[in-house]
Amino acid sequence: GENVEQHPSTLSVQEGDSAVIKCTYSDSASNYFPWYKQELGKGPQLIIDIRSNVGEKKDQRIAVTLNKTAKHFSLHITETQPEDSAVYFCAASKGSEDYKLSFGAGTTVTVRA
Amino acid sequence: SAVISQKPSRDICQRGTSLTIQCQVDSQVTMMFWYRQQPGQSLTLIATANQGSEATYESGFVIDKFPISRPNLTFSTLTVSNMSPEDSSIYLCSVEGESETQYFGPGTRLLVL
Repeated sequence: GENVEQHPSTLSVQEGDSAVIKCTYSDSASNYFPWYKQELGKGPQLIIDIRSNVGEKKDQRIAVTLNKTAKHFSLHITETQPEDSAVYFCAASKGSEDYKLSFGAGTTVTVRA
Repeated sequence: SAVISQKPSRDICQRGTSLTIQCQVDSQVTMMFWYRQQPGQSLTLIATANQGSEATYESGFVIDKFPISRPNLTFSTLTVSNMSPEDSSIYLCSVEGESETQYFGPGTRLLVL
């Protein structure tokens, strides 16, 4: 089955700096890659996703890049703010062929004021 | 995106008992999923629940331990049976959205003593 690895496990950044989280996947058939943000006591919230026919996607301060050849994708958060502090999970699936999501281990991001 | 609610939000149970968790969504969806998130860990898929068919369980999860019902297109239940302290986790339901997306409920936080 799909194996998703995520790094780093923890990330501390100064407010206003950028944060980058990287994930790799093993199954070349995976074609859908969402990112979730989970705040303490809440369920995961979908923040951005990317499909295999796109190399990059941006939504305000958040961007995701995908390298299908190398089988890795990354989340970039610019101009970080204290409210960006949370646990971030990457995931992968085969999309409409198989909706099951395989998750990375998570990255705890702390934004220092 | 769908609005998903779960009941109960948290519970403390004695070992050997069972707990049924409810998941309600504000729109009709074909696919619903149940995940387990052990303390400080990532999300692991328990089963996929489609209306009108038996749930499909992932490796390591069995129907006798985690029976699931899916009586209609907006509701599902997961029962955690004969609980032990190792079942202490967050249990999350999710639903399919448009174009392979999945949206998560707020979770049920279970502590087994």
